[in-house]
Amino acid sequence: EVHLLESGGDLVQPGGSLRLSCAASGFPFYNSGMSWVRQAPGRGLEWVAVITTSGTSTFYADSVKGRFTISRDNSKNTLFLQMNNLRAEDTALYYCVKVLVVGASYFENWGQGILVSVSS
Amino acid sequence: DIQMTQSPSSVSASVGDRVTITCRASQDISSRLAWYQQKPGKAPKILIYSASSLQSGVPSRFSGSGSGTDFTLTISSLQPEDFATYYCQQAKNFPITFGQGTRLEIK
Repeated sequence: EVHLLESGGDLVQPGGSLRLSCAASGFPFYNSGMSWVRQAPGRGLEWVAVITTSGTSTFYADSVKGRFTISRDNSKNTLFLQMNNLRAEDTALYYCVKVLVVGASYFENWGQGILVSVSS
Repeated sequence: DIQMTQSPSSVSASVGDRVTITCRASQDISSRLAWYQQKPGKAPKILIYSASSLQSGVPSRFSGSGSGTDFTLTISSLQPEDFATYYCQQAKNFPITFGQGTRLEIK
């Protein structure tokens, strides 16, 4: 069974940094694209970033480009999201997601989410 | 960026009803569309991918259709557990984008 467990969420001041982690199990992590999707309180879903199996290619939403970095450690079955220069609008529940690649990238399995709050 | 617009934003229906939710893309996305269901306090769950492929384990009362710019999600006979919010998602281009959601409520 696929299991994705996020950690690292916290309350942080604007301009601060945070690193999210996602521990994956139950599937061949090294062979799976991975992504982060977020959801602000009471709002819809917003894709944040995606990383290919080897980590050589990454893509970002314009809203986080230059501030966030997605990475992975296949030896530890772990996905990361380094978030710098955080803004109030980054406040959201962040989901770690396993990507289903069938000619395109869909979000097959989701973690339970981790809350990031940005406020002074 | 490709804009995804769902309609209606909310709908009320009864158990046993047939419900259709529509998603329109701002440009041609071929069949690169998925549908998700999200219940309060829970993570989203994929229902349909590639516009019409049913994800393993999803009940057959859910179906998807469409290509190009217009897509539909149909629930053939609503069950109590189907009352939730539904999102479409395009996977044609980066950035990946979602519709704003359709809230399905009990009448």
